[in-house]
Amino acid sequence: GNSVTQMEGPVTLSEEAFLTINCTYTATGYPSLFWYVQYPGEGLQLLLKATKADDKGSNKGFEATYRKETTSFHLEKGSVQVSDSAVYFCALRYAGGTSYGKLTFGQGTILTVHP
Amino acid sequence: SQTIHQWPATLVQPVGSPLSLECTVEGTSNPNLYWYRQAAGRGLQLLFYSVGIGQISSEVPQNLSASRPQDRQFILSSKKLLLSDSGFYLCAFQTSGRNEQYFGPGTRLTVT
Repeated sequence: GNSVTQMEGPVTLSEEAFLTINCTYTATGYPSLFWYVQYPGEGLQLLLKATKADDKGSNKGFEATYRKETTSFHLEKGSVQVSDSAVYFCALRYAGGTSYGKLTFGQGTILTVHP
Repeated sequence: SQTIHQWPATLVQPVGSPLSLECTVEGTSNPNLYWYRQAAGRGLQLLFYSVGIGQISSEVPQNLSASRPQDRQFILSSKKLLLSDSGFYLCAFQTSGRNEQYFGPGTRLTVT
């Protein structure tokens, strides 16, 4: 079956540090890949997505590249801010006929950024 | 624009009481709808999904049920709550032809 594995965390960084959150997946075929962000007490927000191999999704300074050869979709940001503190979820959507758009999520990575 | 609403935002209920959580979507027709539960602020568990009015699929056997009485309305229910039903409940929708899901603000349920 489909699965997503992301680094456990928590990740603690100083402001302006470089961020990488690793995400690898297992799926048949060509899934779509997503990063969602959840701020305390809120629902999930779509951060970025990629729908085919070598696509790069980007938003708000975050980016991730769909690497089929390594089955990875690592999230990166060059300079984090305190406001980036949140939980980050990697997810995949298998486009098979009976998937009904269901997403498979990783366990989430807590990011804390200190001033 | 497309929006999704959930209510109530927070709920404290005693064990054995009934439950009804509501989710509505605006700005789109015939969306796929999903209920998730999130425990301890981390992983999401898909509970139910619906691809049309009256069509409900359950992902895990449990104390909860779901209904879709209207195209853009999705309800999560229980006849008798258990302590283990406590958690953060999220509703999400997906529009036709799109890959991504969009989530509501969630309902924090505490069963005492």
